[in-house]
Amino acid sequence: GAGVSQSPSNKVTEKGKDVELRCDPISGHTALYWYRQRLGQGLEFLIYFQGNSAPDKSGLPSDRFSAERTGESVSTLTIQRTQQEDSAVYLCASSSSPYEQYFGPGTRLTVT
Amino acid sequence: AQRVTQPEKLLSVFKGAPVELKCNYSYSGSPELFWYVQYSRQRLQLLLRHISRESIKGFTADLNKGETSFHLKKPFAQEEDSAMYYCALISGGSNYKLTFGKGTLLTVNP
Repeated sequence: GAGVSQSPSNKVTEKGKDVELRCDPISGHTALYWYRQRLGQGLEFLIYFQGNSAPDKSGLPSDRFSAERTGESVSTLTIQRTQQEDSAVYLCASSSSPYEQYFGPGTRLTVT
Repeated sequence: AQRVTQPEKLLSVFKGAPVELKCNYSYSGSPELFWYVQYSRQRLQLLLRHISRESIKGFTADLNKGETSFHLKKPFAQEEDSAMYYCALISGGSNYKLTFGKGTLLTVNP
């Protein structure tokens, strides 16, 4: 079946604009994670969803970042008033079991 | 707080040579450890996990709690092993979020 998909694959935006990044998890996966990877860094956890609730938002770097999930389906990560330090690859992963996460291809965000 | 350290950014070996990618972790409890791999133009995927004690594509990794290490090894590297390798851990709690190292880029030369 289809894996995790993300859109857009690339996004270039001007500093100060808002962006929305979308993740479509594998059907039936109740857990969904957002990570980001800045240049030269490892992946950093942002937020975890179980169903449509987010019990762990501890990785969101500022209140400019928010995310929501519709049921056990699509999730959207929104970054308001983007800054250059937000430039990164944003990865989404979904899971149906605790120890295996399936990753999407990522969205490369460039803030100019 | 938990941390994963991969001391080598780059590692280059010749085909047929043994390869070891180092990973050290810090966590006060008993973590679950993983290796993820990203081949060129492909998405990140799970290579192996400590709890399964498995060998995938000839790779193995042993958890050494005394040295807090989880090094990835393969006795005879192949060109198709060239990729970015990330060590990661899941600490306690119910969300199973991954903490990653910064990765090691392995190049296997012909």
